[in-house]
Amino acid sequence: EAGVVQSPRYKIIEKKQPVAFWCNPISGHNTLYWYLQNLGQGPELLIRYENEEAVDDSQLPKDRFSAERLKGVDSTLKIQPAELGDSAVYLCASSRSVGGRMETQYFGPGTRLLVL
Amino acid sequence: GIQVEQSPPDLILQEGANSTLRCNFSDSVNNLQWFHQNPWGQLINLFYIPSGTKQNGRLSATTVATERYSLLYISSSQTTDSGVYFCAVEDQGAQKLVFGQGTRLTINP
Repeated sequence: EAGVVQSPRYKIIEKKQPVAFWCNPISGHNTLYWYLQNLGQGPELLIRYENEEAVDDSQLPKDRFSAERLKGVDSTLKIQPAELGDSAVYLCASSRSVGGRMETQYFGPGTRLLVL
Repeated sequence: GIQVEQSPPDLILQEGANSTLRCNFSDSVNNLQWFHQNPWGQLINLFYIPSGTKQNGRLSATTVATERYSLLYISSSQTTDSGVYFCAVEDQGAQKLVFGQGTRLTINP
């Protein structure tokens, strides 16, 4: 079974430029998560999807961040415009959720973003 | 929201040693997961353990939900065990996983 796929693995951009990250979850996983991980800290949830619906985006900075999950499978996270403080690792994870119960989460390799 | 505290923050051991990592949480949970983040940044799920004890090879975990803590045991450590170990619990009100700050484990040959 293929794991969670993310691309690109690394991205270097100048501040004020746009950037997009892509995630393909494990087949059959209806729940998809985007996390932000700063150096030396644990991941923090940005947004959670149940199928194609964003059910928790309370931590997503909506002035510059946006996300979509077309057809309830792949997802894209976008930042426009990027700021220096956005430099971090962006992680995608997926799981099955049955009756509102969250099961084991599986993470992708992440995208390491550096904003100059 | 729920608080998650892991200890120790750093642990340096020789190959072959045993270790115990602790995770304390501030509220009752129905979902607790342990992860290992390797030096290349990949997070690997080790255990889904809201209560009880599980074992997988040299690793085992115990969660005592009534006392709000979980322990991860690593026996006969190998250099490949190095990395950061995270405990994550579900914030039931928000239905999301909240991660601790992690324990950085270094196993020297």
